[in-house]
Amino acid sequence: KQEVTQIPAALSVPEGENLVLNCSFTDSAIYNLQWFRQDPGKGLTSLLLIQSSQREQTSGRLNASLDKSSGRSTLYIAASQPGDSATYLCAVRGNDYKLSFGAGTTVTVRA
Amino acid sequence: DAGVTQSPTHLIKTRGQQVTLRCSPKSGHDTVSWYQQALGQGPQFIFQYYEEEERQRGNFPDRFSGHQFPNYSSELNVNALLLGDSALYLCASSFGGWGNTEAFFGQGTRLTVV
Repeated sequence: KQEVTQIPAALSVPEGENLVLNCSFTDSAIYNLQWFRQDPGKGLTSLLLIQSSQREQTSGRLNASLDKSSGRSTLYIAASQPGDSATYLCAVRGNDYKLSFGAGTTVTVRA
Repeated sequence: DAGVTQSPTHLIKTRGQQVTLRCSPKSGHDTVSWYQQALGQGPQFIFQYYEEEERQRGNFPDRFSGHQFPNYSSELNVNALLLGDSALYLCASSFGGWGNTEAFFGQGTRLTVV
């Protein structure tokens, strides 16, 4: 059974600081890994998709790395802004079609 | 492109009642998955529909059932509601029968059981 862990559970940083969010998973037999953003009471917005054959993926200020063999992914957000305040969820898709999620990291960026 | 749409947005039901939630997938997508998200937790997989068949099911009781229509839209039905069924229900769509595609989520349906 795939277990996904996100550390830390919460993070508060001043505006402009870089954010580093960690995700670990127990079963390295994955198809891909996705990072999502969730605002309070809302649905999930896909940020980045990394296929199992890739090492990293970038979109604007966001960069995600994947080390499948060690079961780790890291999401970097450069020059954080108050609008980046949200919960960030990591999910892995194994060969059973479903996404297995971590509990998320809640980020607060202070102006 | 309207993306994944879910209805209704909010719902209040009484314990013991039945509820139906609806989902329209993103244009071009043929696979729909349902997830339950309790407050402060990550989403938990309920089941997935592909080609109108339930292809995979998570650890949820038979009170949770679903359906996929020929236009790929889907319904989630929950019978004999319990207080513990109160949660945000999320629908995700993707394309194709394999696991390497990106999943897109709707805005969710907030179900409150009283």
